[in-house]
Amino acid sequence: GENVEQHPSTLSVQEGDSAVIKCTYSDSASNYFPWYKQELGKGPQLIIDIRSNVGEKKDQRIAVTLNKTAKHFSLHITETQPEDSAVYFCVASEGTGANNLFFGTGTRLTVIP
Amino acid sequence: EAGVAQSPRYKIIEKRQSVAFWCNPISGHATLYWYQQILGQGPKLLIQFQNNGVVDDSQLPKDRFSAERLKGVDSTLKIQPAKLEDSAVYLCASLLDMNTEAFFGQGTRLTVV
Repeated sequence: GENVEQHPSTLSVQEGDSAVIKCTYSDSASNYFPWYKQELGKGPQLIIDIRSNVGEKKDQRIAVTLNKTAKHFSLHITETQPEDSAVYFCVASEGTGANNLFFGTGTRLTVIP
Repeated sequence: EAGVAQSPRYKIIEKRQSVAFWCNPISGHATLYWYQQILGQGPKLLIQFQNNGVVDDSQLPKDRFSAERLKGVDSTLKIQPAKLEDSAVYLCASLLDMNTEAFFGQGTRLTVV
């Protein structure tokens, strides 16, 4: 099955700085790579996703990049704000959508005001 | 639009007891998942339903876990008998179809003592 590795496990940044989370996956058949944000006591919430036919996608302060050859994908958050503090999960899926999601181990992001 | 509803939010039981969790997906969502999230880890798939049929239960410990989705709407996940290592958050997710986003409920936090 798919194996998703995620780094770092914890990340602290000053408000306004950028944060980068990196992931690798093992199954070359994976085509869909969503990122989820999980706040304390809540379920994961989709923040952005990218499919294998695209190398980069941006949504306001959030951007994701995908390198299918190297099986790497990354999340970039610019101009971080305290409300960005949460656990972020990278995910890989063999389907074209959210079919059989394989989660990374998570990154706890803390934005220091 | 109402989200995925789960109950109870918290449950504490003794080992060897039984417990059941309930999930009400978003209206019209044909696909429903149960995930297990152990503290400090990413969610791991237990079972996937398409309407009222099981699509994938390969990761479900069938000697103690069971799940059903009667009438293709609500679903229940049962553990009998529970073990200490079953302590986790149990998340339910639903999606309209395989090409769309998965929506997660808040989860049920189970503590087995």
